[in-house]
Amino acid sequence: AQSVSQHNHHVILSEAASLELGCNYSYGGTVNLFWYVQYPGQHLQLLLKYFSGDPLVKGIKGFEAEFIKSKFSFNLRKPSVQWSDTAEYFCAVKEYGGATNKLIFGTGTLLAVQP
Amino acid sequence: NAGVTQTPKFQVLKTGQSMTLQCAQDMNHNSMYWYRQDPGMGLRLIYYSASEGTTDKGEVPNGYNVSRLNKREFSLRLESAAPSQTSVYFCASRTGVETQYFGPGTRLLVL
Repeated sequence: AQSVSQHNHHVILSEAASLELGCNYSYGGTVNLFWYVQYPGQHLQLLLKYFSGDPLVKGIKGFEAEFIKSKFSFNLRKPSVQWSDTAEYFCAVKEYGGATNKLIFGTGTLLAVQP
Repeated sequence: NAGVTQTPKFQVLKTGQSMTLQCAQDMNHNSMYWYRQDPGMGLRLIYYSASEGTTDKGEVPNGYNVSRLNKREFSLRLESAAPSQTSVYFCASRTGVETQYFGPGTRLLVL
């Protein structure tokens, strides 16, 4: 069965620090990859997604992620975080063309940015 | 567009009580999903509906039932609530390009 691992459960950074959140998945076939963000008290919102093409994808609010197929990874990055980036971040994977259309989510990484 | 809406926003139940969580979307999406979110466990799929008239079990379906009433609405029912069902419940719907859109969530506390 597919699984998604987010190894960092909690990350604390100061403003202007660089961010990298790890995401690894277990499925060996073609995948669609997503990062969602959940700000305090709000619902999940899509940050960015990868379907095909350029493995470096850019999302909203200055976030980007790089798909490295050989490492089964889709790490999220931001060069300089802001206090408003404090949120929980979820990586998700979907088997490309799968009949079930289900997303498998990681357990999430809680990011706290100190002003 | 309101997107995905959920009612109620918050509910407290006693063990053994029943309730239905409502979800509606106005984006004409075919697929709808119910997840539960628990600390340290991310989002886990309870049930989903690939299209009107069909439903399938997800990762954690025990203790829940669903109804895809029409294309817009997908409800989740707890027949006999248990404390282990204390959670935040999210409904989502999906476009043809694989992106899921989430509702604001329902916080459920079972005493």
